[in-house]
Amino acid sequence: KAGVTQTPRYLIKTRGQQVTLSCSPISGHRSVSWYQQTPGQGLQFLFEYFSETQRNKGNFPGRFSGRQFSNSRSEMNVSTLELGDSALYLCASSALAGGPGNEQFFGPGTRLTVL
Amino acid sequence: QKEVEQNSGPLSVPEGAIASLNCTYSDRGSQSFFWYRQYSGKSPELIMFIYSNGDKEDGRFTAQLNKASQYVSLLIRDSQPSDSATYLCAAGGADGLTFGKGTHLIIQP
Repeated sequence: KAGVTQTPRYLIKTRGQQVTLSCSPISGHRSVSWYQQTPGQGLQFLFEYFSETQRNKGNFPGRFSGRQFSNSRSEMNVSTLELGDSALYLCASSALAGGPGNEQFFGPGTRLTVL
Repeated sequence: QKEVEQNSGPLSVPEGAIASLNCTYSDRGSQSFFWYRQYSGKSPELIMFIYSNGDKEDGRFTAQLNKASQYVSLLIRDSQPSDSATYLCAAGGADGLTFGKGTHLIIQP
């Protein structure tokens, strides 16, 4: 079974630009969660989508948004990039959403650098 | 705000010994608990999950959960140099996973 895939793997942008990241979950998984990982803050939850609906949202500004398509693939968008948005963005897929049984499996991540 | 606390380390353990990693969580409503291993430059990899009080064993790994004390631990028996990594503890509930910042484990040959 193929794992979680994320594209692109690396991205360099400049301040003020916007970026879209993509995530394809494990086949059959309907839940996709996004995280931002930085050395100082660790893994921080951005949002979770299940069956095309946003179930949960972390404490990030509105510049961070996402969506999920009918095939469970998900995209995350960051507008008006800031230097502090430089991070590893991780997508995780799970078969269920919330509660026991929601083991999450991570993709390889997208390394975003904002100059 | 939900929090998961871990000692950042580094925790240094000789090869062949037992490595003991701990975390505490603040939300009593958390229902599931996960341990992930993350090598430098890589994404987190799920090692184990536990839902019920007590111990759960999987090969060289044992997860322990004490909901009354809001405490989760991971024991690694017969530690190998390849176990050197950052170990992330996560607590899960209806609104997703909250991660600790991880413990850096070093296995000394």
